[in-house]
Amino acid sequence: RKEVEQDPGPFNVPEGATVAFNCTYSNSASQSFFWYRQDCRKEPKLLMSVYSSGNEDGRFTAQLNRASQYISLLIRDSKLSDSATYLCVSRLIGPPSPEARQLTFGSGTQLTVLP
Amino acid sequence: GAVVSQHPSWVICKSGTSVKIECRSLDFQATTMFWYRQFPKQSLMLMATSNEGSKATYEQGVEKDKFLINHASLTLSTLTVTSAHPEDSSFYICSARVGVSNTGELFFGEGSRLTVL
Repeated sequence: RKEVEQDPGPFNVPEGATVAFNCTYSNSASQSFFWYRQDCRKEPKLLMSVYSSGNEDGRFTAQLNRASQYISLLIRDSKLSDSATYLCVSRLIGPPSPEARQLTFGSGTQLTVLP
Repeated sequence: GAVVSQHPSWVICKSGTSVKIECRSLDFQATTMFWYRQFPKQSLMLMATSNEGSKATYEQGVEKDKFLINHASLTLSTLTVTSAHPEDSSFYICSARVGVSNTGELFFGEGSRLTVL
């Protein structure tokens, strides 16, 4: 079983639609979670961190449910520029050690916003 | 935010040759850098953790003799793919951690696309 699992999509939605992505993680020791955005053939870029209380950044809302080991990302009023692959990422925070694994990436959910 | 630069962005090489990819932190010192590989339509997979002044820590299944990592300074880590074969063709991305603590923010390089003919 993958440590971080996402629905690969693709999600094709019209402009202005609301779309939600889900992600589950298997390692209960994971401490921090993030959503990254990756455009085609580019490096991933941090979209937002995910907090247990839920957090919002403009049109984007992220939520974390530790009991269910479940993370979500909601995008409202989709724009054409939102088209990308969205990566769910978990992070272990262990003892201070250079060897502590940092990030585990999901395989990504592809979103295409259509005009 | 901090800037991490990778070079080259694209490289095409013949089978059997070696390719070196550089990862530089341009405006901060990075004690630790990470190397990832991403095959088409797949997730980033951590290959190794590169620590300045010491040997890299490789993930299970990654051949250390094939993927040589050198982190000789606080701003530069290099990944050398030795005797490259077509199956090594992939997108290689590095990230660098700001500061010493393992909670430091990570910044990614732009990635290097390797094609082995």
